[in-house]
Amino acid sequence: ETGVTQTPRHLVMGMTNKKSLKCEQHLGHNAMYWYKQSAKKPLELMFVYSLEERVENNSVPSRFSPECPNSSHLFLHLHTLQPEDSALYLCASSLWAVRETQYFGPGTRLLVL
Amino acid sequence: AQSVAQPEDQVNVAEGNPLTVKCTYSVSGNPYLFWYVQYPNRGLQFLLKYITGDNLVKGSYGFEAEFNKSQTSFHLKKPSALVSDSALYFCAVRVDRAGGGADGLTFGKGTHLIIQP
Repeated sequence: ETGVTQTPRHLVMGMTNKKSLKCEQHLGHNAMYWYKQSAKKPLELMFVYSLEERVENNSVPSRFSPECPNSSHLFLHLHTLQPEDSALYLCASSLWAVRETQYFGPGTRLLVL
Repeated sequence: AQSVAQPEDQVNVAEGNPLTVKCTYSVSGNPYLFWYVQYPNRGLQFLLKYITGDNLVKGSYGFEAEFNKSQTSFHLKKPSALVSDSALYFCAVRVDRAGGGADGLTFGKGTHLIIQP
């Protein structure tokens, strides 16, 4: 699990706050992903980055804003979230090829009050 | 569109008995299939994957899975369950995208595996 790290591990924020989630991978990968895991729902893909370019955005509300400054770092900027956005946010990385395995970080548990 | 079904919310198995966690998929094209395990308050850990070739895939911790194209299934199995295998298991699929590259994974809703001592 030390290959992909996420900070913070837990976050509580109000609906008017701005916060950022950080993900870092130490595996030499060139693709990174954000997933959302809510209670009683399948994991949902949010964003895909390849070589620092966003290649997929699964109709995610604009209050979630991703940033990938380089192939090792991925951020998820949060602004004016809703209580229903409370979830576990998982970051993953892989080599940019369909056969490659995605490796996940431990996640950030977000609670929006 | 691709999808994954895990028909059982929970599977209960006695320690030492064989276990099976079911997964079926629906895709257009050749599937790439994955199994992950999640322990409480942890991220997902990769167990095994099917890309091509031998239909029986062996993975971590003694797990294996069998790819069955005609039944569009990829069931996870282990000959002898351990209490420490108790966790949440996810099946996932991905297909080739136009132009190549690595799409995100489409996951099933997960199956809670409970191994009873």
